[in-house]
Amino acid sequence: DSGVTQTPKHLITATGQRVTLRCSPRSGDLSVYWYQQSLDQGLQFLIQYYNGEERAKGNILERFSAQQFPDLHSELNLSSLELGDSALYFCASRREASTDTQYFGPGTRLTVL
Amino acid sequence: AQTVTQSQPEMSVQEAETVTLSCTYDTSESDYYLFWYKQPPSRQMILVIRQEAYKQQNATENRFSVNFQKAAKSFSLKISDSQLGDAAMYFCAYRSLTGNQFYFGTGTSLTVIP
Repeated sequence: DSGVTQTPKHLITATGQRVTLRCSPRSGDLSVYWYQQSLDQGLQFLIQYYNGEERAKGNILERFSAQQFPDLHSELNLSSLELGDSALYFCASRREASTDTQYFGPGTRLTVL
Repeated sequence: AQTVTQSQPEMSVQEAETVTLSCTYDTSESDYYLFWYKQPPSRQMILVIRQEAYKQQNATENRFSVNFQKAAKSFSLKISDSQLGDAAMYFCAYRSLTGNQFYFGTGTSLTVIP
């Protein structure tokens, strides 16, 4: 158990809908990363937040947005969902000390029908 | 942007044997961190081992060790005495000393043959 929690574990929805994925980082970690992993694909970095502020942006679609709240949990909002958005969405957290790595949550599996 | 390349999409190893997974990266920086993550069928991403570029000594974690060749920009993972539980997708990752983003390779799928 990495200490990073993600809810829900599974999500099934229809095209055109909007969903929110939630992530709680490890205790003491200020930084949250979001990744997308499509079937049999590598990890695509979406976005990073540090202590409530956006820190880095990757290949995140305009239909997707994220935020980090004062209690440091983060939410990833996916809207106007398409079939191709079906994927495993990971959250990872990091302490921000220069030597620290990131620890991953169990992921949320999103299926868009 | 930095790139991380894993040139072996699939590898297999006999149980109890040793296997080496390859990873190369491209960077102009002198200080950085390298990681190997394991993703078993459960899809959970698990940190296997990490290496600081300023350390010449190769990192070791039990049966897992790395061969870090800084000049060649190579970072291979050696798994000794392979076990059935080692079957997974393995991802190599890079982060610069001062950077925030982690760059991942495309992964190597490891099969362990009983």
